[in-house]
This record gives sequence, C-alpha cells and structure tokens, in this order.
Amino acid sequence: QKEVEQDPGPLSVPEGAIVSLNCTYSNSAFQYFMWYRQYSRKGPELLMYTYSSGNKEDGRFTAQVDKSSKYISLFIRDSQPSDSATYLCAAEYSSASKIIFGSGTRLSIRP
Amino acid sequence: DTEVTQTPKHLVMGMTNKKSLKCEQHMGHRAMYWYKQKAKKPPELMFVYSYEKLSINESVPSRFSPECPNSSLLNLHLHALQPEDSALYLCASSLSRTGDSGAHFGPGTRLLVL
Repeated sequence: QKEVEQDPGPLSVPEGAIVSLNCTYSNSAFQYFMWYRQYSRKGPELLMYTYSSGNKEDGRFTAQVDKSSKYISLFIRDSQPSDSATYLCAAEYSSASKIIFGSGTRLSIRP
Repeated sequence: DTEVTQTPKHLVMGMTNKKSLKCEQHMGHRAMYWYKQKAKKPPELMFVYSYEKLSINESVPSRFSPECPNSSLLNLHLHALQPEDSALYLCASSLSRTGDSGAHFGPGTRLLVL
C-alpha cells in the first residue's frame, strides 16, 4: 500500500465548475500536508501548505485535512482553463524531511 | 525573492562524462533537496540538506554526489551515469527562519544520458 494514494484521473470538467481533488494517506504520523500544481515540463508549484487538521483558503483554492479519516482535499472554485495541470498531494512527517507525494491527478478544464 | 533557480535547463551527456547541476535560492531557507522525476510519475527524493549538512540520502547510487557549499547553493555532481538516469532533476528549498511553509521547487534540469 502506498503511503499517499491519489486517483490519477484524468479528470475533465467545464470552465466555471467546482473541482474536488482528493487523497488518502495511511500513516497517522504525517503532520504537514501540501498540494502542488505541475504544468507539463515544469517544476511543481506549491499551492497550499497546512499543518494538522483543518481548512485553509487562498483565493479560489481551499485545502482540507481530516486526520481522523486520513483524507486530504483540494477544492478549486470558478475553475479556469489555465488550471489545467497535474495536481499532486503530498505529506511529510516533520519540517525538512522526506515529502511523500501522491501519484498526481491530471485535470483538464474545458472552455 | 520567492524563486529557486536551476542551471542548466537541459543537459545531454554521455555515460563517461562528468557534469554538475546547480541550484540557488535566496529565500533564507535552511533546507535544500534534490528530487528526481520520471515522466508521468511523482518526484522521488534523492537527498536532503538541513543547515548545510546532509540529513537524508535515499540510498542513491554513488554516481550521484551532492554538495552544499553554503546555505543558498546546492550542487549535484554526475559521473558515469546510465541511460535510465535520464529524468527531470528538481531542486527544492524549505524551512525559513520564521518557520516552515512548505518546499518550493525550481523549474528543474531535464537530463538525457546517451
């Protein structure tokens, strides 16, 4: 079993829709949770960084962590074609430690 | 400055060559990382430097040799690589003086070994 599981997609939604991306993890020792966006042939871009359980909002993006169910979510409101990319969830045990990535979900926003 | 820069952007090398990848950050971060990413796969950790000391080595073959000359710079020295080492090599940094806010990645060096 992978430590962080993510549905690879692809996921295709119309422009303006709310997108929900999800991951599960197996190790309750994870404390920090991240979402990255990666465009083709580019490095991953950090979108959201959260510590422990709770919600965090940044513009059109909302990250949720539920440690009781070991569930990580990213919501994108008013999705745009420019949001089309691969989204990677990730977790780490402590600062400056190994980041464990999910396999990534390919998202396509149709104009 | 919230950027991690990497040079070169692309590199083609033969199996007998020696080359180096370079990474620089000016965010005051105290941890720096090397990751390797194959096509359609997530990044895989190679090395972590924390406060300029090697803290994690993910059992990487000795043909990859990391170096951290100072807190802003990270190098990856390459020697006698194999074609299967062709990949995108990503540098990242994290751990600011005010606390951790997640690892920021550079654009990567796309390496082709012939």
